[in-house]
Amino acid sequence: EIVLTQSPGTLSLSPGERATLSCRASQSVSGNYLTWYQQKRGQAPRLLIHRASNRASGIPDRFSGSGSGTDFTLTISRLEPEDFAVYYCQQYGTSSYTFGQGTKLEIK
Amino acid sequence: QVTLKESGPVLVKPTETLTLTCTVSGFSLSQPDTGVTWVRQPPGKALEWLAHIFSNDEKSYNTSLNSRLTISKDTPNSRVVLSMTNMDPVDTATYFCARISIHSYDFDYWGQGILITVSS
Repeated sequence: EIVLTQSPGTLSLSPGERATLSCRASQSVSGNYLTWYQQKRGQAPRLLIHRASNRASGIPDRFSGSGSGTDFTLTISRLEPEDFAVYYCQQYGTSSYTFGQGTKLEIK
Repeated sequence: QVTLKESGPVLVKPTETLTLTCTVSGFSLSQPDTGVTWVRQPPGKALEWLAHIFSNDEKSYNTSLNSRLTISKDTPNSRVVLSMTNMDPVDTATYFCARISIHSYDFDYWGQGILITVSS
């Protein structure tokens, strides 16, 4: 099973700043099937980025994803107030999925 | 418009079997490029993938829960059912169903979730 480790656990920033979230896999993620989700309190997760770097429909272009193999990054170029939430990475491989433990993005 | 909605008992007793239903609309469970998955989230904790089923009836389970889970689909009635046996208080969580897009193996639409509490 591939283990995903997200860092940092909590990121404290101000609106307008740039956020960089990391997701490291214990083995190479096949096919770059690495996905990022945003989850706000009391809500279901929302798909942000698929195949490591492709924005989902309706996602603002301040969100971008990069990486391959075992190291992946989600970048939010200029934080808006609505971006403060928990972010999860997820991988798919050999017919199973795993999630990272999440990064909480909080207002400084 | 794609929607998914979870239903089931909100309270189960330890050792009982939980049966959850995901009713979908806006797409067909026979659509070749899709599947449906179940994910859970204990209060204040991370997401955990449980199981999925694709349109060709291919199924897969989280190996740590494999022996307790069964997933099936009722295509004519647009429902996916997840059963989990021998429930324990640690299984208390919000259970989500979501649609899988086979193109990227991501979960592109989610239900609102249902909080299941395990307590005697």
